[in-house]
Formats: sequence, structure tokens, C-alpha cells
Amino acid sequence: DQQVKQNSPSLSVQEGRISILNCDYTNSMFDYFLWYKKYPAEGPTFLISISSIKDKNEDGRFTVFLNKSAKHLSLHIVPSQPGDSAVYFCAASGEAQKLVFGQGTRLTINP
Amino acid sequence: DAMVIQNPRYQVTQFGKPVTLSCSQTLNHNVMYWYQQKSSQAPKLLFHYYDKDFNNEADTPDNFQSRRPNTSFCFLDIRSPGLGDAAMYLCATSRGGGGANVLTFGAGSRLTVL
Repeated sequence: DQQVKQNSPSLSVQEGRISILNCDYTNSMFDYFLWYKKYPAEGPTFLISISSIKDKNEDGRFTVFLNKSAKHLSLHIVPSQPGDSAVYFCAASGEAQKLVFGQGTRLTINP
Repeated sequence: DAMVIQNPRYQVTQFGKPVTLSCSQTLNHNVMYWYQQKSSQAPKLLFHYYDKDFNNEADTPDNFQSRRPNTSFCFLDIRSPGLGDAAMYLCATSRGGGGANVLTFGAGSRLTVL
């Protein structure tokens, strides 16, 4: 039973426009949510996080929004740049130092 | 640079032939993790160590074992690899404690089983 789901396997966005990546979760006990970015042949790298007591966190071009009632979060990237092309994983932190991941969304930024 | 190093990056083994993957860290983090990731799937936690305390996931097969001889090193042993064990194996570390529990990942070890 997958607790964290990213329902879009891929997303294509034009350079300069906004990229919106979505994530849904089922466990209301998660206390933090994180986004990771992964390039081919590299491990995932941490991008941004949000506490479950917040509804928005912003870091430069990246903003994460959390809707607890809908158990939904999204990552907004604006403006999108070619270097943003990667696989993005949503993850949730709960009990015992564990991080549960979604399946990932492959983002392609077109020039 | 402080980092997480995995060796080997690519491992080819035969069906049933034991394999050991290694992970080292210079971050002095308390927690070390092993994840298995198959193509287009979510990374799946196999087990983790908080210092010397070993925590096995309930659905991790007995075929997978781990050792953490000291703070810096952690090993993943696959005793009798099957074709279904072909995957990317990701090692990660974190400080532990409260907060967002940000994991730092290595580049991964890709296992092929012939």
C-alpha cells in the first residue's frame, strides 16, 4: 500500500514557464515532506522541505505548498530552466527516522 | 567535501552468487539507510541503522543482510541474488533526531543479475 503517490510519471514544460509537480499522501501522521531531485547516474539530492504545520515554504525559484485537508502537496518551479530537467521525488518523514518516497516525476524543460 | 560514497557503482553477478555492496560516509551522521530502487518505482527502504541499532523493514527478504562495523561504513549483503534483485541500491545518511530528517544519498550501486 503506497503511502506517497506521484501520479504523473512525466511532465514537459517550456523554459521560462512554471513547472508544477504534484504529490498525494495517505498517512496523516507524516510530520515533514521533502522534495528531492535526481539526475541520471547520480543519487537524489535534497531540494526543499515543509513542516506539516506550515502551508508554504519558499526557497528561490522553488516553492512547496501543503494542503493537509486534501493530503496533497505540490512543488512549483518558476521560472523553469533547462537545468531543472530531472526526476523529482516527493518524500514524507514519519516514525523512526524513515523517509517514504513517491515513484517520481520526470520533468523535461524544453527550450 | 563531506559525502556518501558507494562501491562498486556497477556490479554484475550470477544468479545465486553472493554480492556485497559498500557505503562509506564522511558526514559523521548517526543514521545510515539502504534503499532499493527498481526502474520507474519509488525507492524502497530495506533497513537502517541508528548508530548501532539495526532496524529491518518487515517486508525486507531474509536474503538481504546488513552490517555497520563503525560509524563510517555500512554494507549490504545479498546472500543469493535472484533475477528480481536486479536494481539500483542507494545508501543514504542523516543526522537523526528531530526535524525534517534530510537524507544525503550516495550515487548508487546498480546490480545486474545474470
